[in-house]
Amino acid sequence: AQKITQTQPGMFVQEKEAVTLDCTYDTSDQSYGLFWYKQPSSGEMIFLIYQGSYDEQNATEGRYSLNFQKARKSANLVISASQLGDSAMYFCAMRERGGSSASKIIFGSGTRLSIRP
Amino acid sequence: DADVTQTPRNRITKTGKRIMLECSQTKGHDRMYWYRQDPGLGLRLIYYSFDVKDINKGEISDGYSVSRQAQAKFSLSLESAIPNQTALYFCATSDSGTGETQYFGPGTRLLVL
Repeated sequence: AQKITQTQPGMFVQEKEAVTLDCTYDTSDQSYGLFWYKQPSSGEMIFLIYQGSYDEQNATEGRYSLNFQKARKSANLVISASQLGDSAMYFCAMRERGGSSASKIIFGSGTRLSIRP
Repeated sequence: DADVTQTPRNRITKTGKRIMLECSQTKGHDRMYWYRQDPGLGLRLIYYSFDVKDINKGEISDGYSVSRQAQAKFSLSLESAIPNQTALYFCATSDSGTGETQYFGPGTRLLVL
């Protein structure tokens, strides 16, 4: 069965430093997608970045990049030059493609990131 | 205007009451989803719909029902609310492209007394 593991319940980082949030996954499928979402204290879920399993290059979106290591089944989120507004919960998620039910996504338990000024 | 809207944003109800949460989207996506989030946990899928005529149970569908009234509308009902259904509920939408990225509504905070 597919599974997402985020081993860091909480992290503290100094402002302007880079931070890496860990995510490992388990799937038997060859075709899948990996996502990161941000949930600030206000509660909404904000899509950050996507990586397809067949994408050869790591995905990047502004200050966000996804360090995709397929053999290790890891999809870590890297935030460069962290800002106070980056303080939030971060969720890693995976979509597994299987037959007609291609769009189910499962989520990890999240990492709470706190940026210190 | 927001692409995915949820009403109500907050709701307090009593055990045994029927309650409906509504979701509307203007993104033109064909796929819609309902999730719940409990404190300190990730999201769990309740129901999902790939089009108006297609409804599927998710991981935790017991105690819930859904209705896809139109491509843009997907509602979640709790027929007889119970306290352990107190949670934050999210609606999400996706289409078949862009990795089927799901975009979320703002959430509905539900408290069942």
